[in-house]
Amino acid sequence: EAGVAQSPRYKIIEKRQSVAFWCNPISGHATLYWYQQILGQGPKLLIQFQNNGVVDDSQLPKDRFSAERLKGVDSTLKIQPAKLEDSAVYLCASSLFSGDYNEQFFGPGTRLTVL
Amino acid sequence: AQSVAQPEDQVNVAEGNPLTVKCTYSVSGNPYLFWYVQYPNRGLQFLLKYITGDNLVKGSYGFEAEFNKSQTSFHLKKPSALVSDSALYFCAVFMIKAAGNKLTFGGGTRVLVKP
Repeated sequence: EAGVAQSPRYKIIEKRQSVAFWCNPISGHATLYWYQQILGQGPKLLIQFQNNGVVDDSQLPKDRFSAERLKGVDSTLKIQPAKLEDSAVYLCASSLFSGDYNEQFFGPGTRLTVL
Repeated sequence: AQSVAQPEDQVNVAEGNPLTVKCTYSVSGNPYLFWYVQYPNRGLQFLLKYITGDNLVKGSYGFEAEFNKSQTSFHLKKPSALVSDSALYFCAVFMIKAAGNKLTFGGGTRVLVKP
């Protein structure tokens, strides 16, 4: 079974530039998550999708971050414009459903450095 | 508010010795607890979870965790550590919310197993 795929793996940009991350979840997983993991901290949920609908985006800085999951499969996370404090690893995860206790499967992450 | 705490930033242990990684939680209602491991440049991998039932939960790679309700703890254990167990370990609590269910992670504990 293929895992969660993410690209790019690394990205370096200057502040005020824009950046986009892509995620392809495990086939058949209805729920998709984007997390931000700042160095030395645990992952923090940014947004959760159930199929192509947003379930929880309470922690997403909506003035600069946006995400979509068209057709309920792949997802993109965008930052526009980036700030220095956005430097982090962005993790995508998926699970079968959000309403049970199935484990989430994580991708390798995208390491973003904002200069 | 529901949260988890990992009181140790780093745990050092000699190969072959027992390994314990501590986690305490604060939740309203029944706790649903998880352990994940993160190897360098890789995403988080699920180790084990406690939902209900036996307080001793067995997971992947020889790890187990003991749920202790009176002490509100969920410590991760391995009887005999391997050098390959060196990684970052995260405890997490599964939160059931009206607006989506989510995992809230602790800050992580780095484990270093020395030969």
